[in-house]
Amino acid sequence: QVQLQQSGPGLVKPSQTLSLTCAISGDSVSSNSAAWNWFRQSPSRGLEWLGRTYYRSQWYYDYAVSVKSRITVNPDTSKNQFSLQLNSMTPEDTAMYFCVRDRGHCFDIWGQGTMVTVSS
Amino acid sequence: DIQMTQSPSSLSASVGDRVTITCRTSQSLSNYLNWFQQKPGQAPKLLIYAASSLESGVPSRFIGSGSGTEFTLTISSLQPEDFATYYCLQSYSVPSVFGPGTKVDVK
Repeated sequence: QVQLQQSGPGLVKPSQTLSLTCAISGDSVSSNSAAWNWFRQSPSRGLEWLGRTYYRSQWYYDYAVSVKSRITVNPDTSKNQFSLQLNSMTPEDTAMYFCVRDRGHCFDIWGQGTMVTVSS
Repeated sequence: DIQMTQSPSSLSASVGDRVTITCRTSQSLSNYLNWFQQKPGQAPKLLIYAASSLESGVPSRFIGSGSGTEFTLTISSLQPEDFATYYCLQSYSVPSVFGPGTKVDVK
C-alpha cells in the first residue's frame, strides 16, 4: 500500500523559504511510471498545482508559471522522498500544501497535508 | 493553460437522490480527466480516472462519463457519506488544473 507522509513547518516568516518533505512508502521516487507532485489549496486560489519531478532514465522537472522563479522540487533517492522549496514567501502563499503521486494521468495517492501560514 | 469550469457550483440534495455534476474544459482532454471528493480537513480522494474508470475501493454508485471537452460525474443514489465537495482535474498536460468545485449539501 503506497503512502505519502509529509513533514515540515507550519509557520514561515515573510521573505523566508518554505521547505517541505514527502516520504514515500510502497513505491520508489525513481519509479519509471510515476511522477511526484506538489499542490496547494487556499480559499482564494482553490486547488493549485505547483510542480513535479519524475525519472525516465534521467530526472525531469516541471513548475507552474506562477511560482517558477522561486520553486524547487527535488528527489532524494537515498531516503526515497522528495521535497518542495518555495522562496520569498508572502502571506499570499498561506495555504494547505499536499504532496501527490501521479501514476500516469491519475493522481491517486495524497499526503495528509501541511497547513502553512506566512506571518511574522 | 487549459481552463476548467464546473456546474453547478453547489447543489442541495437528499439521501437517495441522483446527482449529476458537469465539468467542461477549454480544449480536448481525450479522456484524461480525474474526479475527486473532498471533505473538510481532508485531502482530496480520487474517485474516477480516465474519465470513466472507477478507482479501486470506490463504490459503484459513482459513475464518470464523457470525453473531449465535456465530462459528467453521476452519483446514482446519494448516501449520507457523500455530502462533500467534488472537483474535476485535467490530467492531460502540465500544468494540471482543477475545476472550481461543486459543493453537495443536505436539502
